[in-house]
Order: sequence, then C-alpha cells, then structure tokens
Amino acid sequence: GDSVTQMEGPVTLSEEAFLTINCTYTATGYPSLFWYVQYPGEGLQLLLKATKADDKGSNKGFEATYRKETTSFHLEKGSVQVSDSAVYFCALRGNNAGNMLTFGGGTRLMVKP
Amino acid sequence: GAVVSQHPSWVICKSGTSVKIECRSLDFQATTMFWYRQFPKQSLMLMATSNEGSKATYEQGVEKDKFLINHASLTLSTLTVTSAHPEDSSFYICSARDPGGYYEQYFGPGTRLTVT
Repeated sequence: GDSVTQMEGPVTLSEEAFLTINCTYTATGYPSLFWYVQYPGEGLQLLLKATKADDKGSNKGFEATYRKETTSFHLEKGSVQVSDSAVYFCALRGNNAGNMLTFGGGTRLMVKP
Repeated sequence: GAVVSQHPSWVICKSGTSVKIECRSLDFQATTMFWYRQFPKQSLMLMATSNEGSKATYEQGVEKDKFLINHASLTLSTLTVTSAHPEDSSFYICSARDPGGYYEQYFGPGTRLTVT
C-alpha cells in the first residue's frame, strides 16, 4: 500500500537558518503530494502541494519539488523564523478509491531566536 | 479558501458519558468528510470516512458502535464518542473534501477530548 516516510524530529534551528525536512514515498501510479503544517493546538493547514512529477510547490517561502525518480518531496526554506515553529506533515493522495490522504509521521520544527 | 469548523474546540467529560463533536464545511458542500484521531506527538490516524446520506466506512480496528458517525447533510458530519473512557482522550480532527477543487481536503481546527 501507499506509505510516506519523513525524517524524525525534533529539528532545532536558529532563526534565519536553512531548513530541509526529508520526505520519501511509496505509491503506485502518480500520486499528488502535499505538505501540511500544524501549529500547537490547531488542526492541519495545507502548506503546499504538487500534482505531477517535476512540479514545484511553494508558499510562504517554503518549497518542495516532486521528484519521481527518487520518490521524494523534500521541504525547504531558505531562512526560517521563530513563527515557523510547528509540526510538518508530508502526505500523498494516491489512486485509491476514496482519494484518501496517507500521512507521514510528522516532523516537529523548533526555531530559536 | 474553503473553511471547515469544528465544535467544540475542547471538551471534558466523565467516564461513561457520551460526547458529540460537530464538523461543518462553511462555504462548500462536502459529500465526503473524514475523521482522524491524533495522539500526542504522533501523526493522524484515519478513523472513518463519512459519506452524506449513507453509512460511514470505518478503518480496521475502529469500533463503529463506540464512534458513531452521522453525515446527515452536505455541510455537517458528527462524531459521537459513546460511553467514553479515559483512553478515548485524544485530539480529534475532521476534514472535508471539496468535490469542486481536485478533491482537496480541508481540515478543521480539531477538538481536544479529555475523559476523566
């Protein structure tokens, strides 16, 4: 079945540091890929997405490129801020009958001033 | 963008009582909604898929008689935790799928349930 693996956290960075959170996936066919962010005590918010190979999703300074050859969708940001502290979830929507999302385990990011 | 609300945002109840959580899509009609459960510092676990006008589809290991789901309209799904026990304490999140936007899922803000 479909699965998503992302790096375990927590990831602790200083403000303005470069961020990479790795995400790889296993799926049949051509899934859509997503990054969601969850701030403390809140639900999930869609951060960015990509629906086909080589697409780059971007939002709020975050980027991720759909790499089919490496089955990856790594999240990057050039300069993180304290307000980026949150849990980030990589997810895919495959070709299952219900178009359901499959989530990775989540990566907690802590940005220190 | 599409907005999904949940009510209540948090609830405390005593063991043996039942609690109802509402999930509403505010600006679109959702024929399908999903209910997730999230334990502290863990990922989301899909509990069930709620389809308007029909029975919910439960994931393996989820007790359908304990977690009652009703999707009576295109904008409202409810999850009722019956005869709650402390181990049911968790963060419950719903999402609604927008059929008009590549089946995008929009998530509610979550409901924290504490059973004492």
